[in-house]
Amino acid sequence: SQTIHQWPATLVQPVGSPLSLECTVEGTSNPNLYWYRQAAGRGLQLLFYSVGIGQISSEVPQNLSASRPQDRQFILSSKKLLLSDSGFYLCAWSPPGQGYEQYFGPGTRLTVT
Amino acid sequence: GENVEQHPSTLSVQEGDSAVIKCTYSDSASNYFPWYKQELGKRPQLIIDIRSNVGEKKDQRIAVTLNKTAKHFSLHITETQPEDSAVYFCAASNEYSSASKIIFGSGTRLSIRP
Repeated sequence: SQTIHQWPATLVQPVGSPLSLECTVEGTSNPNLYWYRQAAGRGLQLLFYSVGIGQISSEVPQNLSASRPQDRQFILSSKKLLLSDSGFYLCAWSPPGQGYEQYFGPGTRLTVT
Repeated sequence: GENVEQHPSTLSVQEGDSAVIKCTYSDSASNYFPWYKQELGKRPQLIIDIRSNVGEKKDQRIAVTLNKTAKHFSLHITETQPEDSAVYFCAASNEYSSASKIIFGSGTRLSIRP
């Protein structure tokens, strides 16, 4: 069966520091991968998605970037964090070609101080 | 592009009563409608879905209905229990689109009163 991992689970970072969040999926090949952000008490904002290695689509212009260096690895990065970057970051995967059927990872709770 | 509106934003019901959450979508090409449940501090989890070729689907105490003409779909929870307390998200997608993404509603926070 498929499993999705995210780390770290929680992170506290000062404003202006860099960020790297990692997501990996097991048990499937060539999945679609997604990064969402959820501010406290709010909905799900799609940040990036990828349908293959090196293919990244950005949904919201911001100081974040994403990369997919391996088939089942998706990384979210920032060079300089802002206070507004605080939130719950969720990675999701879907079977290839089935972006309508997404399964979420456990999430990373990021607090920028 | 697709836009999904969800109501109400908060809902409080007595334990044992029914809860209904409603969503509307804008893109007539959408044909797949999942519902996710997110407990406090946890990940959203897919609880039920419906495709546009059916009008209703049931799974124990939860059911979804779809009105394609009106572009409405709803989640119904009967005999609510404390463990039903969570945030529920509706979503819409086109299974045949190359866009590879789904559009979420803004969420409904459901509280079950004992």
